[in-house]
Amino acid sequence: QSVLTQPPSMSAAPGQKVTISCSGSSSNIGSNYVSWYQQFPGTAPKLLIYDNDERPSGTPDRFSGSKSGTSATLGITGLQTGDEADYYCVTWDSSLSAAMFGGGTKLTVL
Amino acid sequence: QVQLEESGPGLVKPSETLSLTCTVSGYSLSTGYYWGWVRQPPGKGLEWIGTIYHTGETYYSPSLKSRVTISIDTPTNRFSLSLQSVTASDTAVYYCARGITGPTFDYWGQGTLFTVSS
Repeated sequence: QSVLTQPPSMSAAPGQKVTISCSGSSSNIGSNYVSWYQQFPGTAPKLLIYDNDERPSGTPDRFSGSKSGTSATLGITGLQTGDEADYYCVTWDSSLSAAMFGGGTKLTVL
Repeated sequence: QVQLEESGPGLVKPSETLSLTCTVSGYSLSTGYYWGWVRQPPGKGLEWIGTIYHTGETYYSPSLKSRVTISIDTPTNRFSLSLQSVTASDTAVYYCARGITGPTFDYWGQGTLFTVSS
């Protein structure tokens, strides 16, 4: 069971907005930056958001990240069928001195 | 362009040691950044294994720490993963990646499937 909690699955229609949550604790999300990855089947994860809300070059501005307390959120607006993928949050846990991934959220764009 | 490529045996017997190497091109390991390993069992989520800084400082997953060693070889621009006493639960796709910070990886290898079976 993951230290970071994400909803296993979410779905939304094309053009809609979705927010994926990532819940942790004071030793991880509460005191460290959060990153988000997007992964398509059979491919390596791709860095989508880092340092809570920063987008690497190449990440569309439809994707956004935020953090409040011990929770983080990935937002996706203007959903496209090409956004159908698995999404993972990750952060450092200061108590464990280790990186921790969320369990992942499978996003379906209906 | 930074590129990473994993290499190693695809099949190992239970109780043996997994050894994987990540060859990096387009960037010198001795210059900086973190270098890490992440795995993904079939049909499951991502699991961080560990990270090594270019100076050789290492960080390991608590659940794997007793069995894992990550090392770096700057002259050949490679870093390696050794996982001892493997079991079927170690069967996974193993990725190597470059880290901006401990858990933030900006470049990834394509991944290699490692299977534990007798």
